[in-house]
Amino acid sequence: DAMVIQNPRYQVTQFGKPVTLSCSQTLNHNVMYWYQQKSSQAPKLLFHYYDKDFNNEADTPDNFQSRRPNTSFCFLDIRSPGLGDAAMYLCATSRVLGGAEAFFGQGTRLTVV
Amino acid sequence: GQQLNQSPQSMFIQEGEDVSMNCTSSSIFNTWLWYKQDPGEGPVLLIALYKAGELTSNGRLTAQFGITRKDSFLNISASIPSDVGIYFCAGRENSGGSNYKLTFGKGTLLTVNP
Repeated sequence: DAMVIQNPRYQVTQFGKPVTLSCSQTLNHNVMYWYQQKSSQAPKLLFHYYDKDFNNEADTPDNFQSRRPNTSFCFLDIRSPGLGDAAMYLCATSRVLGGAEAFFGQGTRLTVV
Repeated sequence: GQQLNQSPQSMFIQEGEDVSMNCTSSSIFNTWLWYKQDPGEGPVLLIALYKAGELTSNGRLTAQFGITRKDSFLNISASIPSDVGIYFCAGRENSGGSNYKLTFGKGTLLTVNP
């Protein structure tokens, strides 16, 4: 069974129309990450949560926001998507202590039209 | 931000050959992870390394955590066509407090000719 689940797998949104991507986990991991991955590039870290503590990357645009209402769920909000925000968005989780494997969801492919 | 240098960028090999790729960083990591990503999918964890000098195998895959904690390599022995994909290294550092960044290398695209 999938342990990190992202919904939807594919999302089409209009230019400028707010969109929310969701991630849920059954692993009870402390840390949840959001990455943006463009074609043939490495995943780029946008931000991560350690429990409720939010850590934003310095170069993450203000257009990207995140919410983590509880341990299991984390959301990525794009307030005004531009054409350049079309990408694969990946969610991952890991523990803090002990083994630090990070497990990824299958990703959400975002298209902006 | 933190940079991971992964090489080579791409490899074209014949089925049955061995493959080696590596990652280096400018700072110390406390965890090294190796992933494989197929098109349209999320990265899948292959091997996780937690201690300097650690050598870990997963089937035909072997990875090592460098002694300096600033590098790691991945070897694939006797490659097969389904090894095709993009391989990423990733390192996790505790930057202090609640900051547990997981940074990726740029990936190695592996093509295996049958």
